[in-house]
Amino acid sequence: ETGVTQSPTHLIKTRGQQVTLRCSSQSGHNTVSWYQQALGQGPQFIFQYYREEENGRGNFPPRFSGLQFPNYSSELNVNALELDDSALYLCASSAQTSGKETQYFGPGTRLLVL
Amino acid sequence: GNSVTQMEGPVTLSEEAFLTINCTYTATGYPSLFWYVQYPGEGLQLLLKATKADDKGSNKGFEATYRKETTSFHLEKGSVQVSDSAVYFCALRVDSGYSTLTFGKGTMLLVSP
Repeated sequence: ETGVTQSPTHLIKTRGQQVTLRCSSQSGHNTVSWYQQALGQGPQFIFQYYREEENGRGNFPPRFSGLQFPNYSSELNVNALELDDSALYLCASSAQTSGKETQYFGPGTRLLVL
Repeated sequence: GNSVTQMEGPVTLSEEAFLTINCTYTATGYPSLFWYVQYPGEGLQLLLKATKADDKGSNKGFEATYRKETTSFHLEKGSVQVSDSAVYFCALRVDSGYSTLTFGKGTMLLVSP
């Protein structure tokens, strides 16, 4: 039990639609990272938010965007969904002070794009 | 760039057998190293970590030693249980401006009674 929750657990969308995934971090965790895990692969870093601002991004297009709120919740938004966006989306939170804190993962949202 | 290479699975063992899952890495800086475990249908759980060379991380009977000279962080357990069946991910983190995890592809472990 990491104290990180995600919603919804499963989601089905069609190509071209938009989706919003939500994450609730542990209280006091000011950093949230989002990862995409395709079937049979390791998680790939999408982006990271620190104190409500994006401070790092992986190799994902701009149609992947995010928000972080003062109440330790965050969102991942994906526009113009493509079939390859089908994956498990994981958020991870940490209390970023020295940069060496452990990231704690939520259970993930499984997205299927048809 | 940063990368992690893990042995391919599945690794199939009988209960009480010895486990080794190999992990090697390439990093541009001085990384911290992690093992995460993912049980079926669940997210990632931190299993153990090591932040500097020669550190040994351990948890629930699993252990791994940070070997800078061989750039390795192999996971071992002396006696596996059926409940250890899961996918194991080796990961590294290099802290520069912002810190993020770079994962290997994962190794599935199947333990039979």
